[in-house]
Amino acid sequence: QKEVEQNSGPLSVPEGAIASLNCTYSDRGSQSFFWYRQYSGKSPELIMFIYSNGDKEDGRFTAQLNKASQYVSLLIRDSQPSDSATYLCAVTSTDKLIFGTGTRLQVFP
Amino acid sequence: EPEVTQTPSHQVTQMGQEVILRCVPISNHLYFYWYRQILGQKVEFLVSFYNNEISEKSEIFDDQFSVERPDGSNFTLKIRSTKLEDSAMYFCAGRGGSNQPQHFGDGTRLSIL
Repeated sequence: QKEVEQNSGPLSVPEGAIASLNCTYSDRGSQSFFWYRQYSGKSPELIMFIYSNGDKEDGRFTAQLNKASQYVSLLIRDSQPSDSATYLCAVTSTDKLIFGTGTRLQVFP
Repeated sequence: EPEVTQTPSHQVTQMGQEVILRCVPISNHLYFYWYRQILGQKVEFLVSFYNNEISEKSEIFDDQFSVERPDGSNFTLKIRSTKLEDSAMYFCAGRGGSNQPQHFGDGTRLSIL
């Protein structure tokens, strides 16, 4: 059974701080890695994707991938209250996405 | 920015009835998917669809489920005889070519009574 593991949280950070979200996956054949943001009752919204080892930055978001350790992370700099949501890690297995349970992030003013 | 559109947003149905959930993918997308999310649980893959046929399906996608893309635009998920445990959010997703990420529609909340 291919799995994606995330700490369910909540992760509470003050406004302006860096939020660090982590994810591990079991399938060494996974090639693509995604972070989605999901507000309560809404659909997953793509935040970042990464395919190669290392870091990928987009605005306040940085995705980090370490395939040897089967580890993906998302850093959110200058966290805002509007970033409060559940962050879903997803990896590809064949063509489909396997999701983790998500980490709930709370950013307090 | 183009979006994946799903209708209806909420469907309430009696157990045993058939439901059809509809999706209009982004026009240049080639690969289509259905996922579901039971309240409080993770998003689960149901089925992928490419070139007018199913590419892969999960154990959840049994004989009660079917998909089709009848007119080259709408992509539908049919559940023939709904069960209480089919109550969930159903998300349609699509993507373009290789290495393109999947984009999700707003979802249909299916409630089986």
